[in-house]
Amino acid sequence: AQKVTQAQTEISVVEKEDVTLDCVYETRDTTYYLFWYKQPPSGELVFLIRRNSFDEQNEISGRYSWNFQKSTSSFNFTITASQVVDSAVYFCALSEVSGSARQLTFGSGTQLTVLP
Amino acid sequence: EAQVTQNPRYLITVTGKKLTVTCSQNMNHEYMSWYRQDPGLGLRQIYYSMNVEVTDKGDVPEGYKVSRKEKRNFPLILESPSPNQTSLYFCASSYKGSRILNTEAFFGQGTRLTVV
Repeated sequence: AQKVTQAQTEISVVEKEDVTLDCVYETRDTTYYLFWYKQPPSGELVFLIRRNSFDEQNEISGRYSWNFQKSTSSFNFTITASQVVDSAVYFCALSEVSGSARQLTFGSGTQLTVLP
Repeated sequence: EAQVTQNPRYLITVTGKKLTVTCSQNMNHEYMSWYRQDPGLGLRQIYYSMNVEVTDKGDVPEGYKVSRKEKRNFPLILESPSPNQTSLYFCASSYKGSRILNTEAFFGQGTRLTVV
């Protein structure tokens, strides 16, 4: 089973629409971290946010907001009033201690296209 | 400027010809790792290193080697590349954390490798 599932492969919206990118994770650890990264068309990976498993407060940063719900093992990302520059692939990732491995596990990504 | 530098950015090679992709970071990070990115699969970890002379396999280590002789460098070696190793490769570094990766990972610009 995938540890990080991003079920939405591609999403297309028109500029100024709100859009939510879903992330569902799986872990048996009680301590873990969740991340979101953005990969614009230029290809680099840009860190957006980190959340630890003990902090369920939602976070807002400008037009970006994140909803962390342990009860549903989800860490969803919402872009309000989307812009063309938001077009990118967005990755959700999980950091956990599993056995002796400390790894960062990524979801398969969601390609967001914002149309003008 | 804090950065992770990968070289080369683009590489086309032939099956069986050994190659090395270099990765260097200037942030004194203990943890470094290699990922490959393939369409629909997201980023999958190849190898990681907790510190100098400490390396371990990720999820897809077959066909790859790494070494960590110095803290700043973490080269990826393909002893006998095959076409199924055609991919986009990323090197990343971060602070190790006491038990878990709890800080953002800094990524290199990526290396697009084509094996013909």
